[in-house]
Amino acid sequence: GEDVEQSLFLSVREGDSSVINCTYTDSSSTYLYWYKQEPGAGLQLLTYIFSNMDMKQDQRLTVLLNKKDKHLSLRIADTQTGDSAIYFCAEIPFSGGSYIPTFGRGTSLIVHP
Amino acid sequence: ETGVTQTPRHLVMGMTNKKSLKCEQHLGHNAMYWYKQSAKKPLELMFVYSLEERVENNSVPSRFSPECPNSSHLFLHLHTLQPEDSALYLCASSRDLGEAGNEQYFGPGTRLTVT
Repeated sequence: GEDVEQSLFLSVREGDSSVINCTYTDSSSTYLYWYKQEPGAGLQLLTYIFSNMDMKQDQRLTVLLNKKDKHLSLRIADTQTGDSAIYFCAEIPFSGGSYIPTFGRGTSLIVHP
Repeated sequence: ETGVTQTPRHLVMGMTNKKSLKCEQHLGHNAMYWYKQSAKKPLELMFVYSLEERVENNSVPSRFSPECPNSSHLFLHLHTLQPEDSALYLCASSRDLGEAGNEQYFGPGTRLTVT
């Protein structure tokens, strides 16, 4: 199976909250990341959380980490049409002397009026 | 603007052509990466360079040949590609592979179409 798993699609109404979930496998990952990819563009770092934290809030974004279950979520409050994009979860396990990120398949967030 | 640029942004090539993709980072990073992003498939890590040395090569066909002449530049040389190689090719850089907080900065990608 994949190292980082995400659901592929999420559809929400404008103004509602969006919650994108991710599970990862490597408990040695000290940082976990969320990236955003808009159409025709590369991935953009959105936010991250350090593994000794349970929660991190940054304006409309809230990241929750359940280290016991290896579960990460990204909540977007008051979702806007401009939030429509693909959201990638990433872990950075330590392997072979290097920290190389592993990405999930991405969740396509569709925001409709 | 992430500090990572890629050229060209779009490329159409025949199966017998030879072309190169270029990536440049202006962030002073030591690590650079090539990824392939195809529709309905996970992001595929192709190559990783640290201080101009290749540290990872994930079973990529030899028709893809990377080159890292210095820590700011990364190339992907393409020859005799197949239609299934059509994809978005993303370049990324990060500070250092030896750091746990190794977040990546991505370029906008090159959309490659092989005819």
